[in-house]
Amino acid sequence: AQSVTQLDSQVPVFEEAPVELRCNYSSSVSVYLFWYVQYPNQGLQLLLKYLSGSTLVKGINGFEAEFNKSQTSFHLRKPSVHISDTAEYFCAVSEPGSARQLTFGSGTQLTVLP
Amino acid sequence: DAGVIQSPRHEVTEMGQEVTLRCKPISGHNSLFWYRQTMMRGLELLIYFNNNVPIDDSGMPEDRFSAKMPNASFSTLKIQPSEPRDSAVYFCASSLNTGNTGELFFGEGSRLTVL
Repeated sequence: AQSVTQLDSQVPVFEEAPVELRCNYSSSVSVYLFWYVQYPNQGLQLLLKYLSGSTLVKGINGFEAEFNKSQTSFHLRKPSVHISDTAEYFCAVSEPGSARQLTFGSGTQLTVLP
Repeated sequence: DAGVIQSPRHEVTEMGQEVTLRCKPISGHNSLFWYRQTMMRGLELLIYFNNNVPIDDSGMPEDRFSAKMPNASFSTLKIQPSEPRDSAVYFCASSLNTGNTGELFFGEGSRLTVL
């Protein structure tokens, strides 16, 4: 069985500062990894995904994430955040060839302060 | 293009009443998922369908919950009778089950309050 741990439930950061949201996963097989973002009163939308190939993945809104197989991590980063990045961020994992269920982490609330 | 459409966006009802939540997936998508989101439990998968057939309903909390997908463009989640602990945001999501990439497209959710 796969699982996802998001180490920080809340991350406050000042505008234009860099941010890293941490995600670790566990799985006995290879995985696909995702970051989703949820803005207030909206559904989740895909930020970026790792399926294979380059371990550095670039997504929308200037976010990127790096897959580290040895550390089973998929941390999300942005070099300079904006007020509009305030949202909840979910890391998720699925197993190729499985029944296609995504396992979501518990979420990290990113709050960008002026 | 229209995304996943859910209705109602907000529902307030009294304990014991029947609640029906509706979902129209993205045209052409062949997998549909119902999730529930609460502060205490986060995002939980309730049930998912593939080609209109329920594949895994192990997340459905109890017999008061039921879900149907009579055709490729419509699904319902029903709670009967509803209880205050069912208060949550219910999300529907759809995907194209090709290549097993796992990308889901979510609706905006139905916020249910049971008094």
